[in-house]
Amino acid sequence: QSVLTQPPSASGTPGQRVTISCSGSSSNIGSNYVYWYQQLPGTAPKLLIYRNNQRPSGVPDRFSGSKSGTSASLAISGLRSEDEADYYCAAWDDSLSASVFGGGTKLTVL
Amino acid sequence: QVQLVQSGAEVKKPGASVKVSCKASGYTFTSYGISWVRQAPGQGLEWMGWISAYNGNTNYAQKLQGRVTMTTDTSTSTAYMELRSLRSDDTAVYYCARVLGVGAHSQIDYWGQGTLVTVSS
Repeated sequence: QSVLTQPPSASGTPGQRVTISCSGSSSNIGSNYVYWYQQLPGTAPKLLIYRNNQRPSGVPDRFSGSKSGTSASLAISGLRSEDEADYYCAAWDDSLSASVFGGGTKLTVL
Repeated sequence: QVQLVQSGAEVKKPGASVKVSCKASGYTFTSYGISWVRQAPGQGLEWMGWISAYNGNTNYAQKLQGRVTMTTDTSTSTAYMELRSLRSDDTAVYYCARVLGVGAHSQIDYWGQGTLVTVSS
């Protein structure tokens, strides 16, 4: 059971916009930054969004992040086949004094 | 460019220990920390802990306290993670990752390629 809650799966067709949610509590998302990682099949995770809504250089602006209260979202617009991957949210948890991850969302491009 | 290169796959028997290495390059090693994250087969990511490459301070996940030790060798820019009293549910891919900042201000940005540790009798 992960501290952060994500839907196990999401899907969309090429060109569509999809969102992935991440729900937490006041001790994690509610008081700290949210990060998003993309894990392509058989590879290590890659930083996609940092500090709620910032993109590292090289990450397309099709990817965007937002946070409101104790929830966060990752949006992917103009969906492409290469976006098919697992997506994880993460945040620091003040009560646990630890970083915590969501259970991951498998995105399928139909 | 930033690179974290991990040691190769390991097969261990229950009760044994494993030590995974992570050699960093492309940045000033002591200006960042290293976190270890594991992923059991078909499962999500689990944070194991963090070590400061600057002063060796550590913060371990509560469930692994007493079984895990993280260290660094600044002379070779290498981080190590040792896990003892291995059980079958420790079978996972173990990742090292570079961390900017500390605690609530920490940010994982680069990841190693992962090391598969299999625990089996």
